[in-house]
Amino acid sequence: GENVEQHPSTLSVQEGDSAVIKCTYSDSASNYFPWYKQELGKRPQLIIDIRSNVGEKKDQRIAVTLNKTAKHFSLHITETQPEDSAVYFCAVSKYSTLTFGKGTMLLVSP
Amino acid sequence: NAGVTQTPKFRILKIGQSMTLQCTQDMNHNYMYWYRQDPGMGLKLIYYSVGAGITDKGEVPNGYNVSRSTTEDFPLRLELAAPSQTSVYFCASSYSDGNQPQHFGDGTRLSIL
Repeated sequence: GENVEQHPSTLSVQEGDSAVIKCTYSDSASNYFPWYKQELGKRPQLIIDIRSNVGEKKDQRIAVTLNKTAKHFSLHITETQPEDSAVYFCAVSKYSTLTFGKGTMLLVSP
Repeated sequence: NAGVTQTPKFRILKIGQSMTLQCTQDMNHNYMYWYRQDPGMGLKLIYYSVGAGITDKGEVPNGYNVSRSTTEDFPLRLELAAPSQTSVYFCASSYSDGNQPQHFGDGTRLSIL
C-alpha cells in the first residue's frame, strides 16, 4: 500500500517567519494531495489541496508545491501567526481513500 | 447545514462491551469514511463506503463492523471492546471519490477500561 512520510514531526518558529513541512510518498500513481490542519481537540480541516497535473497552488499565506518526479510535496506557510499553531497532516490519494502522514506540530511563538 | 454529525462525543466502555458510534451527513455525499486517531499519530482508515449498500475495509478493520443502509448514515460498531480500541474516532464524507476534499465530524473520544 501507499507509504507517506512527513517531516519534521515538530516545528517551532517565531511569529512572522515562514514554515515548511514536507511529505514523501511511494506510489507514483497517486494523484491527489490535500493538507489538513487540526487544532487541539478539534476536527481535521482541509486548508489546501493539489492535484497531480498542477505543480504549485497558493491561497493567501499558504502554498503547496508538488514534485511528481521526486514523489514529494510541501506545505509553505508565510508570515506565520500564533493562530497557525496546530498539527498539520499531509495525505495522498490514488483511488477511493486517503493515506495520512503522522503529522507535524507547528508552534508559532509571539 | 450541519455537515457531518457524530454521536456520542465521549464514551467510556468496559472491556467486552459493545457499542455503535453514529455518523450522519446532510451534504448528499456518496463516500463516507471511519478513521481512528491515536495520540501523536495520524489518521488510520478503518472502513469506508462508496455508496449505500457498499462497504470496504481500510487499513485497520479488525474488531469493527459497519453498515450503510442509507446515503446519510454510516454507523461503526464495536462488538467486543478491547483496551487497544481506546482512541478518537472520526467520521468523514466526500462528494465522490478519494480525490475530493473530505469533511470531518467532531469526533468521538472513546476510552475502554
